[in-house]
Amino acid sequence: KAGVTQTPRYLIKTRGQQVTLSCSPISGHRSVSWYQQTPGQGLQFLFEYFSETQRNKGNFPGRFSGRQFSNSRSEMNVSTLELGDSALYLCASRPPGTVNTEAFFGQGTRLTVV
Amino acid sequence: AQSVAQPEDQVNVAEGNPLTVKCTYSVSGNPYLFWYVQYPNRGLQFLLKYITGDNLVKGSYGFEAEFNKSQTSFHLKKPSALVSDSALYYCAVRQAGNTPLVFGKGTRLSVIA
Repeated sequence: KAGVTQTPRYLIKTRGQQVTLSCSPISGHRSVSWYQQTPGQGLQFLFEYFSETQRNKGNFPGRFSGRQFSNSRSEMNVSTLELGDSALYLCASRPPGTVNTEAFFGQGTRLTVV
Repeated sequence: AQSVAQPEDQVNVAEGNPLTVKCTYSVSGNPYLFWYVQYPNRGLQFLLKYITGDNLVKGSYGFEAEFNKSQTSFHLKKPSALVSDSALYYCAVRQAGNTPLVFGKGTRLSVIA
């Protein structure tokens, strides 16, 4: 069974640009969450999608947005990039069921803003 | 809102010695607790979880964790550390309902030969 796939693995963007990251969850998983990982802040929750609806949202500015498609694939978009947006962005999917199911993570997209 | 604290940024231990990585949490109601490990340039890998029942939970690679409700802690342990255990460890908590999984800031474990 294929794992969570994130593309691209690496990105370099310039301040002010926008970027779109993609996440394909494990087959059958309908919940997809996004996290930002930085050395100082650890893993911070961005948002979670379930069946094409945003179910939870973290404390990030409106420049960060996401969506989920009918096949459960998800994208996140960051507009007007800032240097501080440089981070590893991780996507995780969860199987349907109760809250006690663990999340499965992709390898992440390393975004560098210059 | 739920939260997790990992009080140590770095833990150093000699190979063969027992290791402990500390985690405390705050939730409304019953917690669902998880430990993950991250190796360099990799995503997070699930180690173990506590949902209910026995306070001592056993997981992958010989790791275990002890749930202590009165101290709101969920410390990760291993009886004998290996150099290959050196990695970044994250504790996470979710509370009941469709709430997000919230992570601590991580603890870097270094096992020295």
